[in-house]
Amino acid sequence: ELKVEQNPLFLSMQEGKNYTIYCNYSTTSDRLYWYRQDPGKSLESLFVLLSNGAVKQEGRLMASLDTKARLSTLHITAAVHDLSATYFCAVELSGGGADGLTFGKGTHLIIQP
Amino acid sequence: NAGVTQTPKFQVLKTGQSMTLQCAQDMNHEYMSWYRQDPGMGLRLIHYSVGAGITDQGEVPNGYNVSRSTTEDFPLRLLSAAPSQTSVYFCASSYSRRTFMNTEAFFGQGTRLTVV
Repeated sequence: ELKVEQNPLFLSMQEGKNYTIYCNYSTTSDRLYWYRQDPGKSLESLFVLLSNGAVKQEGRLMASLDTKARLSTLHITAAVHDLSATYFCAVELSGGGADGLTFGKGTHLIIQP
Repeated sequence: NAGVTQTPKFQVLKTGQSMTLQCAQDMNHEYMSWYRQDPGMGLRLIHYSVGAGITDQGEVPNGYNVSRSTTEDFPLRLLSAAPSQTSVYFCASSYSRRTFMNTEAFFGQGTRLTVV
């Protein structure tokens, strides 16, 4: 059974600071996704990571994937208030053996002025 | 540019009532799925479909039925609502079975369901 663990689950930080959210998963996978969700809203796709060593950046967010360590990170640089949201990682099993995504529990991020 | 459309957005049911949550996509996607989101639990897969006429169970299928008679629509039926089914439900679609491939994932806006 695929398990996906995110940490921290709750993070309060100040604007201008850097921080990293971690996503560990239990079974071989070469596809990992990061989503953002604002309160009461749907999920917005941030990054799709499709291979070992993949790194993608968009603005102040950068995501990476290490399939050997079964670890993905979402790094926030010089945080701004607009990045306050809940961030989810989601993993798909390799080989397509099980359909659908397995999500982490989410990291609730609050960025304070 | 409708994308994935879910109706209704909000619903209150009494225990034992049945209802159908609607999901439609206009992107000719093969793969559609239903998730439920509960506080502190992330999203969990209920049912999915890899094409018209083909459905299968996800992680938490009990109490729910689905069908896929057309490519566009994937309704989720609650047979006899229970308070444990109080949740936010999201429908998602993608181009292919190998979820989302290199394409962006598309989620509906969600249906907030309360069972009293």
